[in-house]
Amino acid sequence: AQSVSQHNHHVILSEAASLELGCNYSYGGTVNLFWYVQYPGQHLQLLLKYFSGDPLVKGIKGFEAEFIKSKFSFNLRKPSVQWSDTAEYFCAVIPYSGAGSYQLTFGKGTKLSVIP
Amino acid sequence: NAGVTQTPKFRVLKTGQSMTLLCAQDMNHEYMYWYRQDPGMGLRLIHYSVGEGTTAKGEVPDGYNVSRLKKQNFLLGLESAAPSQTSVYFCASSYSIQGTSGSPADTQYFGPGTRLTVL
Repeated sequence: AQSVSQHNHHVILSEAASLELGCNYSYGGTVNLFWYVQYPGQHLQLLLKYFSGDPLVKGIKGFEAEFIKSKFSFNLRKPSVQWSDTAEYFCAVIPYSGAGSYQLTFGKGTKLSVIP
Repeated sequence: NAGVTQTPKFRVLKTGQSMTLLCAQDMNHEYMYWYRQDPGMGLRLIHYSVGEGTTAKGEVPDGYNVSRLKKQNFLLGLESAAPSQTSVYFCASSYSIQGTSGSPADTQYFGPGTRLTVL
């Protein structure tokens, strides 16, 4: 079974600081990768996803993520955070085929607090 | 489109009571899911369905049952609620990548959540 690790439980940044949130997964085969965001009191929304092609993917609100297959990583980045980015961020993985290809496995999440 | 809706938004139960949570989606998605979210645990899959009339167990299925009698609806039941089931429950739905049941799931769209407290 696949698993997802998010290295930081809580990150606190000042506005305009750069952000990088780590995500590593364990699975031997091909995977599809996602980052979701959950703003306070709201449901999860898709930030970006990677299925194939260019390993640097761009999402909404200036976020991007880079898939590094050799490191089993899919780190999320943003050059300059805003107070409105305060939220919890979840990395998720789903096998591309076979058993489990319907099931998204989530990391435990990283809370981002941006200080004005 | 309303997307994914959940009923109710809040509920308080006493231990041993039963209830059903309703999830509805109007996007004609093949796949539907029920998750629970607890602090520090992320989202954990309870049950899922890859098509009308089919259901399967996820990571934490004990104490829950589900049914998908219609493609657009996915019901989650608690037969005898326990305090350990206090949580926020999210429903989600997704297309399959190839548009047919059996192919991998694409992006999941989430409902607004149901906050359940079991006393």
